[in-house]
Amino acid sequence: EPEVTQTPSHQVTQMGQEVILRCVPISNHLYFYWYRQILGQKVEFLVSFYNNEISEKSEIFDDQFSVERPDGSNFTLKIRSTKLEDSAMYFCASSGTISTDTQYFGPGTRLTVL
Amino acid sequence: SQQGEEDPQALSIQEGENATMNCSYKTSINNLQWYRQNSGRGLVHLILIRSNEREKHSGRLRVTLDTSKKSSSLLITASRAADTASYFCALGSGGSYIPTFGRGTSLIVHP
Repeated sequence: EPEVTQTPSHQVTQMGQEVILRCVPISNHLYFYWYRQILGQKVEFLVSFYNNEISEKSEIFDDQFSVERPDGSNFTLKIRSTKLEDSAMYFCASSGTISTDTQYFGPGTRLTVL
Repeated sequence: SQQGEEDPQALSIQEGENATMNCSYKTSINNLQWYRQNSGRGLVHLILIRSNEREKHSGRLRVTLDTSKKSSSLLITASRAADTASYFCALGSGGSYIPTFGRGTSLIVHP
């Protein structure tokens, strides 16, 4: 069964450093998403991406964040200058079309900012 | 966007028993989804139920939706230790297709 994959599984970085989290969505999906989950808290939407542009973003997704689909398979989330409060699990998800509604999530990347 | 409120926050049962989790919300929805999350892992989609549906089944899972009461329930029958996880309801409402997650129910199934 096809699945969303994410790398790395765990990233440790120093405050102020840039990080890039990588995702490979399910191959025939058109919509891509990033969510985060701070330890012990609920999953929060960050951004959705379709047709090579952001289609929706939350107030969390400020200028420190950017997303890119550099090639036909990868979908990345970049945090330009990490802060301590960026420490969280980051989940990538993909879905085929809006009408299906179902999003399939990757296993997540645990980001620890020191 | 609104989020669902899962109840109970924590549930502890013995293997073989049924587990019931509830999700309540405040305004109308287009659909409601249930996800499972094992500790430290990603979210696994379980079932999507649309606002015009009342009940759906998938294996040992049964989801009901009562739009008049603005609530949904997830029933896991004949639970197994492997069902130990957090269960989240996620609401799709308004013009957005982005599901909004609740805080989840933590289920522990004792072998």
